Amino acid sequence: DSGVTQTPKHLITATGQRVTLRCSPRSGDLSVYWYQQSLDQGLQFLIQYYNGEERAKGNILERFSAQQFPDLHSELNLSSLELGDSALYFCASSVDEGFNQPQHFGDGTRLSIL
Amino acid sequence: GENVEQHPSTLSVQEGDSAVIKCTYSDSASNYFPWYKQELGKRPQLIIDIRSNVGEKKDQRIAVTLNKTAKHFSLHITETQPEDSAVYFCAASGSYQLTFGKGTKLSVIP
Repeated sequence: DSGVTQTPKHLITATGQRVTLRCSPRSGDLSVYWYQQSLDQGLQFLIQYYNGEERAKGNILERFSAQQFPDLHSELNLSSLELGDSALYFCASSVDEGFNQPQHFGDGTRLSIL
Repeated sequence: GENVEQHPSTLSVQEGDSAVIKCTYSDSASNYFPWYKQELGKRPQLIIDIRSNVGEKKDQRIAVTLNKTAKHFSLHITETQPEDSAVYFCAASGSYQLTFGKGTKLSVIP
């Protein structure tokens, strides 16, 4: 158990819909990272939040957005869903802001678009 | 941005043999290199990491080496066991994100 909690474990929805994925970081960690994992693209960094503020953006689509709340949990919102958005979405957390430190991953949310 | 190449994409070894996975990176400013193990359907799990001021690090049967000049780093697993079968990812930290290689599927044959 990494201490990072992600809900739900599975989501099945249709094209055009909107979903919200939730992540609670390990106790004491201030940074939250979101990754997308698909078969052909590997682990792709989407976005990072540190102590409530957006810190870094990767290959995140405009249809996707995220936020981190005062209790440090984070939500990833995916809208106007397309078939290609089907993937595993992981959240990771770390103590500080920088990328040069261990990141601990949650168990992921498997998103299936029908 | 950072680019991480990982080889081989698949690797089969006999139980008890050693396995080596190699990665190269492009950004000379990268200074942190973790390795993750991901079993089927599970989360990536950090197994070892190395920083740019260190050339080698060992943890029991696992070791990682780093050559900053050549910009490559490698994972070595000795005395492989069936439970080592998984996908292994290398990564390199640039200024703005952690970039992952595409993974190596390691199969350990009993």
